[in-house]
Amino acid sequence: AQKVTQAQTEISVVEKEDVTLDCVYETRDTTYYLFWYKQPPSGELVFLIRRNSFDEQNEISGRYSWNFQKSTSSFNFTITASQVVDSAVYFCALRRINFGNEKLTFGTGTRLTIIP
Amino acid sequence: GAVVSQHPSWVICKSGTSVKIECRSLDFQATTMFWYRQFPKQSLMLMATSNEGSKATYEQGVEKDKFLINHASLTLSTLTVTSAHPEDSSFYICSAKFTEAFFGQGTRLTVV
Repeated sequence: AQKVTQAQTEISVVEKEDVTLDCVYETRDTTYYLFWYKQPPSGELVFLIRRNSFDEQNEISGRYSWNFQKSTSSFNFTITASQVVDSAVYFCALRRINFGNEKLTFGTGTRLTIIP
Repeated sequence: GAVVSQHPSWVICKSGTSVKIECRSLDFQATTMFWYRQFPKQSLMLMATSNEGSKATYEQGVEKDKFLINHASLTLSTLTVTSAHPEDSSFYICSAKFTEAFFGQGTRLTVV
């Protein structure tokens, strides 16, 4: 069985502060994908990143960075110099790599509020 | 990027009526689409996997007769909530597989 845990239900930070969202996962698969999605108040899910389990290199995209550590089954997401537009619910998700079984298992989400 | 359009964005219906929600991939073909349900301040729970030209695969505990899924073309899947009741009120969101799963805007269903 697959499971994704986002222990932080809500976080509030003041604008321009850095913030890290935690994600811990469980899977018996040796190969898998990890994802982060953003859900703004409008409701749609915005794809942020996909990480392959083979690749433990950290990734940076502008103010966003991701730290994947297979040894601790964690895939944390950091926003630097946060902005009000970053306010949203963020979901971490996991899925198998094999074709035909591509459903996503989501964590419970972290509601991030950036205070101006 | 890949665009998935869901319609309507919100709907209010009377208890006992049926509601159809459409999910369209606008600029790509999707042989597989997924339907999720999200309760307020909760995560997304997969309801079913919709496969073009074949029957949908429902997750355990999801009533297939209540939540009818049709994926008649490579760009359209529909979810019909039949004989809706207040407990069916929720946020329904679809996704279509392109390079990754791209999500529609979601449909907020309120049954009164």
